[in-house]
Parts: sequence; structure tokens; C-alpha cells
Amino acid sequence: EIVLTQSPGTLSLSPGERATLSCRASQSVSSNHLAWYQQKPGQAPRLLIYAATSRATGIPDRFSGSGSGTDFTLTISRLEPEDFAMFYCQQYGTSPWTFGQGTKVEIK
Amino acid sequence: EEQLVQSGAEVKKPGESLKISCKGSEFSFSNYWIGWVRQMPGKGLEWMGIIWPGDSDITYSPSFQGQVTISADKSTSTAYLQWNSLKATDTAMYYCARMAGSGSYGDYWGQGSLVPVSS
Repeated sequence: EIVLTQSPGTLSLSPGERATLSCRASQSVSSNHLAWYQQKPGQAPRLLIYAATSRATGIPDRFSGSGSGTDFTLTISRLEPEDFAMFYCQQYGTSPWTFGQGTKVEIK
Repeated sequence: EEQLVQSGAEVKKPGESLKISCKGSEFSFSNYWIGWVRQMPGKGLEWMGIIWPGDSDITYSPSFQGQVTISADKSTSTAYLQWNSLKATDTAMYYCARMAGSGSYGDYWGQGSLVPVSS
């Protein structure tokens, strides 16, 4: 199965700063079938990005996804207070679908 | 708006059986893959498997094959996740999700069902 490795494990930033989260795959993700989710404590995951670069419905444009092959990035251009959370990448190009272990974005 | 509502928390003992549910509304339930995801305490997300309620076609993640049973009743727009004999290591939050496209990523999620298993 494809192993996704997210880095860093924790990102300590202030509101207004730019966040850059990485997701690296153990092999090429077919057709760039990669999604990003945000999860806050006590809540279900929320879809942010699919197909590596497409924003889900209702997601603010400060969230953007990029990358291809084995290297993908989620960027939050200017952190808002409500953005601090866990973030997970997920590949759906090769069965079984797999998630990365997550990156926590915390307030510095 | 599309919605998935899951059954409530269930406290169970090792060896007991359990079936949790996920009811969809405001979308054509039979025409979307529904997936199940495990989140153990303080840990990340793991795909367990997906089902097409229209004909109950199921794909299990290898780690969960034989450990759980996924099913669905399209007449009630409900998907199920079942255990025959729970273990303490099954303690987790379980989420269902509507899978967009050909069973790819979760675009709508249930609120989660907490399953604590303890003697």
C-alpha cells in the first residue's frame, strides 16, 4: 500500500502567517488523486482539497493545494484563528486508500 | 443539505457484538459509495472499507478484512458497521463518509460513533 508521510508533525505559527504542509508518498499517486482534510478536536474531518488542487465547496480561497507524483503541499496563505487544527492528506489513486499521519497546526 | 447521522455511543465489553449505523439524507444514498473510517484515541485516520448501497458491493482495507462486516440497506438509506466479538483494541471513534466520485474521498461525514470496549 502507499504510505503517506506528512511533515512537519507540528507547525507553530501566529494568526496571519503562512502555513505550508507537506505530504510525501512512497510511490507515485495515480492521477494526482490526493485529498486534504481538516479536523478540529471533537469534530469529524472536513474535506478541504481534492484532486490535489481543487477546493471543496465552501472552502475559503486562503486554502490551496499543489503538487504531483509523490510530493504534495497544502498552503494556508494567512492563518485565521479558526484554522488551527489537525490536517491529514489521503490518497485515493491506489487501493487501499491511505491517510498520512497528520500535521498539527498550533498557535505560537 | 446532504447529511449523515450516526448512531450514538455504545459502551461494550470484550467479546460482545455490536452494529453501528449511518443514515443518509438529502441525497441519493444508493448512488454513492459510503466509507467507514476508524480513529483510535489520540491517533490518525484509517480507512476500513467502502460499500455501494445500490448492490452492496464492498471493498475492505486489508487491515480490516475479516475483522468487521460492512453492510447497507438501501431502502432505509442506512449503512452499518458490525463486530461479532469486540476487543479492547476496537476502542475508537468510527466515522462514516459519503465518498465522492468512484469511491474516492469523503465529501460529507457523519458526526462519529464512539465505541469504548472495556471489561
